[in-house]
This record gives sequence, structure tokens and C-alpha cells, in this order.
Amino acid sequence: EDQVTQSPEALRLQEGESSSLNCSYTVSGLRGLFWYRQDPGKGPEFLFTLYSAGEEKEKERLKATLTKKESFLHITAPKPEDSATYLCAVLSGSARQLTFGSGTQLTVLP
Amino acid sequence: SAVISQKPSRDICQRGTSLTIQCQVDSQVTMMFWYRQQPGQSLTLIATANQGSEATYESGFVIDKFPISRPNLTFSTLTVSNMSPEDSSIYLCSVVLGFNEKLFFGSGTQLSVL
Repeated sequence: EDQVTQSPEALRLQEGESSSLNCSYTVSGLRGLFWYRQDPGKGPEFLFTLYSAGEEKEKERLKATLTKKESFLHITAPKPEDSATYLCAVLSGSARQLTFGSGTQLTVLP
Repeated sequence: SAVISQKPSRDICQRGTSLTIQCQVDSQVTMMFWYRQQPGQSLTLIATANQGSEATYESGFVIDKFPISRPNLTFSTLTVSNMSPEDSSIYLCSVVLGFNEKLFFGSGTQLSVL
């Protein structure tokens, strides 16, 4: 059974204070690892897909990396508008649906 | 990406009633998915809706409680039947676009059952 664990559950940063969110996974044959951003009361917004260890993707202040066991979402010099819940999900070779983690709630204080 | 519109965006309902949620996509898609996100929890897949066939339900979800329609390649509905307070959640429709299995979500329906 695929498993996804995100840490920390919640993170409070000062504006400009860089940090990383972690997504650890256990799957039988990774087909893709997905990062989403979710604002309160809204649907998740797609950010990145990573397919193989060593791959990196960047978008503005966000950078996602992937190893064989985990993925990191690095946030460089965050701004208050980066405050949201960040979700990680995996798709394995044997599954026909994504398995989601429980998310990291990020708060960036001005 | 795609524009995925959900209606209503939120509703407050009485116990025992039913609510139908609509999902409209601006392009034709083979599969549409319905998810539930209970307060403070992550996303759980309810069912997969294919046009022209019965929806496929995940373990713990049944057609009598969550009937789904998929009349064409751009539209689907999810009904939450005989609601109880435990059904209070965000309900999300989603679609896969392209060959790289990216899942895109609608804006969600926030349901509160009193």
C-alpha cells in the first residue's frame, strides 16, 4: 500500500525566512510525485510533477526536488502570499489513483 | 491546464436532505474524479466517473449515498444523499489532462450539514 507522510504539519515563517517542506513516500514503482498548493476553501492548485530521483523543478520562489525516498519543497525568501497548505501526492505503478499526504500548513508572517 | 467550474461553491444543508454538485470542464475529458476532503484531512477519492458507463466507487463509498452522473465528456454531477453532519466536507471534482497524468481540480464545494 502506498504511503505519503508530510512534515511538518504546520510551519510559521517570517517573511524572507527560507525553509523546506518534506514529503516522504513508500510506493511500489513511482510513476510521479505531485505537489499542490491549496488555499482555504479552494481546490488544490497544481505546482509540480517529478518523475525520477535527481529531478528538480522551479517556479518563482518554489523549488521541488526528488530522491528515491522523499521530496522537498524549498521556499526561498517567502512572502505572505505564499501562505497556504502544500500537498504532496504520489502515483505508483500499481495504483490507478493518487495517494495524498495530509499536507503542511504554511504561514508566512509579514 | 483546464478551467473546471463547480457549483455551488458552498452550501449549508439540513440533515436528511440531498445536495447535487455540478462540475463543468472547458474541454473533453475521458475520466472525471470526485474527491472528499474532511476538515483537517487530506483528499480521499470517492469515485471515478467515465462517460457512458457506471461510476467506479472506492472502498467505503456506495452509489446509493453518492450517486454520480456523467452525461457527456465535459460534465458530471455528484449527489450527496440523506446527509448527516459527518458529510460536512469539501467536495472536489478533478480531471487528468495530457499524457503526464497531471490531475487538475475544480474550486471545490464546501458543504456544511446541520
